[in-house]
Amino acid sequence: NAGVMQNPRHLVRRRGQEARLRCSPMKGHSHVYWYRQLPEEGLKFMVYLQKENIIDESGMPKERFSAEFPKEGPSILRIQQVVRGDSAAYFCASSATGQPNYGYTFGSGTRLTVV
Amino acid sequence: LAKITQPISMDSYEGQEVNITCSHNNIATNDYITWYQQFPSQGPRFIIQGYKTKVTNEVASLFIPADRKSSTLSLPRVSLSDTAVYYCLVVPDDGYNKLIFGAGTRLAVHP
Repeated sequence: NAGVMQNPRHLVRRRGQEARLRCSPMKGHSHVYWYRQLPEEGLKFMVYLQKENIIDESGMPKERFSAEFPKEGPSILRIQQVVRGDSAAYFCASSATGQPNYGYTFGSGTRLTVV
Repeated sequence: LAKITQPISMDSYEGQEVNITCSHNNIATNDYITWYQQFPSQGPRFIIQGYKTKVTNEVASLFIPADRKSSTLSLPRVSLSDTAVYYCLVVPDDGYNKLIFGAGTRLAVHP
């Protein structure tokens, strides 16, 4: 039973380009969460999605960032016109219930470097 | 949400027991205490969760006093591979939908 799969593991983009990060949740999980981690810091919540719905996007920057979780396929975190400050590790987690006290499963992350 | 305080860093040696204490003075009645572990270049991994008293699994033990204003994660006989960041989280059991991470405790285990 594969865990949460994120790809790519590493992504390099030039300033102004678009970055697309993909997350495939664990089998049977319909709740997906995206977090961002800057070096030497804890994870910061970005967005919580269920299939085809954004439930909580309170942690998403107001511009350039968007997320989706279509009926078929992985969840996508999209960053348009990337800037150097977007360089970070982006982690996806999934759960079966949407209740965090039952535990999340995290992926290994995508490390975005903006040059 | 409860305010979390835990040491920024700790050092230990192989074979020792490590106790990491977390303070959560304003924990609410329906909050659970949860610990995650994060190795470099990996996502966090759930270690243990408890509500009160003591919980033990194959990885760690979690001690929670009666007032629940603090908790202690105990790692028995650590090895070099236990070097990681350990996050203490307080998670409401009322449909709250996200985990809030602090800076965590960086544990370094030395030979």
